[in-house]
Amino acid sequence: GQQVMQIPQYQHVQEGEDFTTYCNSSTTLSNIQWYKQRPGGHPVFLIQLVKSGEVKKQKRLTFQFGEAKKNSSLHITATQTTDVGTYFCAARASGGFKTIFGAGTRLFVKA
Amino acid sequence: GAGVSQTPSNKVTEKGKYVELRCDPISGHTALYWYRQSLGQGPEFLIYFQGTGAADDSGLPNDRFFAVRPEGSVSTLKIQRTERGDSAVYLCASSFDRGQGYTFGSGTRLTVV
Repeated sequence: GQQVMQIPQYQHVQEGEDFTTYCNSSTTLSNIQWYKQRPGGHPVFLIQLVKSGEVKKQKRLTFQFGEAKKNSSLHITATQTTDVGTYFCAARASGGFKTIFGAGTRLFVKA
Repeated sequence: GAGVSQTPSNKVTEKGKYVELRCDPISGHTALYWYRQSLGQGPEFLIYFQGTGAADDSGLPNDRFFAVRPEGSVSTLKIQRTERGDSAVYLCASSFDRGQGYTFGSGTRLTVV
């Protein structure tokens, strides 16, 4: 069945360093969404990418969707302690109904 | 309502008992989803409703799990003969339609003892 692989599983950074998480699928995706979950909280929607090669920015966050629509990345520039949490990609296969979540990348930021 | 509301927030039940978990989505959202999340894992898809009908229930683990959305708004996830392995946070989410980002509720933490 459809699977979404996300790496790394976790990352420790010093405040001010950059951070990137990657999401890969073996099948072509209809769209990809990114969510952030703070410790003890629930996932919060960040963004959705739909077009091949799409790049979107939200302040220090940059989201990319691969040309083949099989991979995506989230890059955070100059991390802050408020960026702490787990970042999930979630993808829907072309023609499918359900959205499958990756296992997430947990980000730790040291002040 | 302003957000997705899930009740109860916590539920402790004995093995073998029946439980119902309720989700009240954002008003006007036609799409509703149930996921469950174990510690350290990503949300696991259970079922997707478009309106009153279950468009995809392929994630329900077995026939002990059932969900309804009779009027196209509130949904109830029902678990029969609970097992300790059912313990998890059950998350409900809604969206305006299936092509939009999801708004999650705070979840119901189910513990089967």
